[in-house]
Amino acid sequence: DVKVTQSSRYLVKRTGEKVFLECVQDMDHENMFWYRQDPGLGLRLIYFSYDVKMKEKGDIPEGYSVSREKKERFSLILESASTNQTSMYLCASSLASGSLETQYFGPGTRLLVL
Amino acid sequence: SQKIEQNSEALNIQEGKTATLTCNYTNYSPAYLQWYRQDPGRGPVFLLLIRENEKEKRKERLKVTFDTTLKQSLFHITASQPADSATYLCALVGDSNYQLIWGAGTKLIIKP
Repeated sequence: DVKVTQSSRYLVKRTGEKVFLECVQDMDHENMFWYRQDPGLGLRLIYFSYDVKMKEKGDIPEGYSVSREKKERFSLILESASTNQTSMYLCASSLASGSLETQYFGPGTRLLVL
Repeated sequence: SQKIEQNSEALNIQEGKTATLTCNYTNYSPAYLQWYRQDPGRGPVFLLLIRENEKEKRKERLKVTFDTTLKQSLFHITASQPADSATYLCALVGDSNYQLIWGAGTKLIIKP
């Protein structure tokens, strides 16, 4: 079974702090994704990566950056956390580029920015 | 812009009945559509994928239909059980094959 793990389930940070969210997948997937999920809204894509050191902006990249130094690891960075970044953050991976790819999700990190 | 709509109101169904959830989309012609299940505090889990040239797909008690004329997918759970209670999300492939466009999900509650 594919396993996607996220470094924290719950996180509380203060405004202005730099926040790192880590995601690791163990199935040699090419693609990795970071989403945020807010009540009443669908999953919104922040960034994705289709290869090591490659990244593409999603729909809401402002205020975030990412890093993919190794295939299995995809990190999301909040450069200076703000209260409007309080949300559930979900990491996902999929096997390879192209269509028909199921995404496998981690358990999520619930981030609260005070 | 591409838009997906799922019923935002929770759906309450009596155990044993068939639950039917709807996913409508506009301004798009996706090659395929996926359904996921999400439990509280968890990430979504893939359930079924249906292609544009498939009218119907089944998996155990689950059935998905895809009507490209109506721009609608229906997700059915037959003989529903309380354990089926969850939020169900539909997702379409976006302009980029890497990107899925997600609905906000419908919360399904199966009452014993």
